[in-house]
Amino acid sequence: GAGVSQTPSNKVTEKGKYVELRCDPISGHTALYWYRQSLGQGPEFLIYFQGTGAADDSGLPNDRFFAVRPEGSVSTLKIQRTERGDSAVYLCASSSSSGGEGNEQFFGPGTRLTVL
Amino acid sequence: AQSVTQLGSHVSVSEGALVLLRCNYSSSVPPYLFWYVQYPNQGLQLLLKYTSAATLVKGINGFEAEFKKSETSFHLTKPSAHMSDAAEYFCAVSETGGFKTIFGAGTRLFVKA
Repeated sequence: GAGVSQTPSNKVTEKGKYVELRCDPISGHTALYWYRQSLGQGPEFLIYFQGTGAADDSGLPNDRFFAVRPEGSVSTLKIQRTERGDSAVYLCASSSSSGGEGNEQFFGPGTRLTVL
Repeated sequence: AQSVTQLGSHVSVSEGALVLLRCNYSSSVPPYLFWYVQYPNQGLQLLLKYTSAATLVKGINGFEAEFKKSETSFHLTKPSAHMSDAAEYFCAVSETGGFKTIFGAGTRLFVKA
């Protein structure tokens, strides 16, 4: 079946603008994750959803970042008043809810955000 | 708080040589541990995972890792490197069954002919 997809693949914006990044998880996966990966670093946890609700948003760096998943499937990561330091690859992943088995996360290709 | 340290941002081996990528973790509860691989221009994919069932875990492509609680380590090994193993490898830890997951900075593996 189809994997995790993310759109757009690349986004260039200007400092101060608002951006939305979209993630389509694997069908039937109830858990969805957002990460940020800066150059030369590993993925940095931002937030994860179980169904429609944010189960853990402790990784969101500040209140300019917000994510939603209104119908428990597609998710949107929203960044207000973008700053140059927000430039990174934003990764989305999804998984089933079998947490007790050591959940495997399936990753999308990422959205490369560049803030000029 | 959980954290991961990967020793060596770059590792270079010759084809056919042993691969050893080091990972140490910190966790306040028995952790779940993972190794993910990222091939050039591809997304991350799971290599293997430790969930307390067995300390020696076998993964895809001939990789394995051993959980050593006394050393808080989860090093990744492969007996004989292949050119196709060249990629970036990430160790990760989760205290919540694999939901909130913390990744290390990654180790880039180079394989020389």
